[in-house]
Amino acid sequence: SAVISQKPSRDICQRGTSLTIQCQVDSQVTMMFWYRQQPGQSLTLIATANQGSEATYESGFVIDKFPISRPNLTFSTLTVSNMSPEDSSIYLCSVEVRPYEQYFGPGTRLTVT
Amino acid sequence: KQEVTQIPAALSVPEGENLVLNCSFTDSAIYNLQWFRQDPGKGLTSLLLIQSSQREQTSGRLNASLDKSSGRSTLYIAASQPGDSATYLCAVSTGGGNKLTFGTGTQLKVEL
Repeated sequence: SAVISQKPSRDICQRGTSLTIQCQVDSQVTMMFWYRQQPGQSLTLIATANQGSEATYESGFVIDKFPISRPNLTFSTLTVSNMSPEDSSIYLCSVEVRPYEQYFGPGTRLTVT
Repeated sequence: KQEVTQIPAALSVPEGENLVLNCSFTDSAIYNLQWFRQDPGKGLTSLLLIQSSQREQTSGRLNASLDKSSGRSTLYIAASQPGDSATYLCAVSTGGGNKLTFGTGTQLKVEL
């Protein structure tokens, strides 16, 4: 397994601003993932972040809105840009510990007013 | 496109009861299936992972089965406790193996 932390755990932001969420893991991992969970919904994959390469975004998600950094094998950030109330969600990062097995961080609860 | 459905959407049982949660998926070409638990407003805790070649996995009071050909998995919880109250999510690994498609979740409440 892996110990994954996220910062901040929650935040309330104003419309039009941006928030950067940090994800830290206690061991080196190749693949990290960012998910969004809108209120009352299940998880949707935003993008896959491999160290040393550009993030790969899923359909419906674009880099200008959700820029991702992956500077090393234990850390990643997701920025939610130009926020609107529709961005209010829980954002979760996950890591692939063993092939095809993911462990998740505690999540960041974002409310946009 | 893989679609994952969980039935029931919500379930309320008295403490001590055995229960079964269901998960179905449309594309049987999966690498594995994971069951997760999510407490309100929190992240996900991995409960069990079943490889595509396996039929079941057990951990304590939890037993998960997989019938890949029919696109179904069940999570069996024995002797339920109030601490089991949470949302249970199943997810299948497809699209190269590391893309998880999540189900809609079953919200479980175990009452005293």
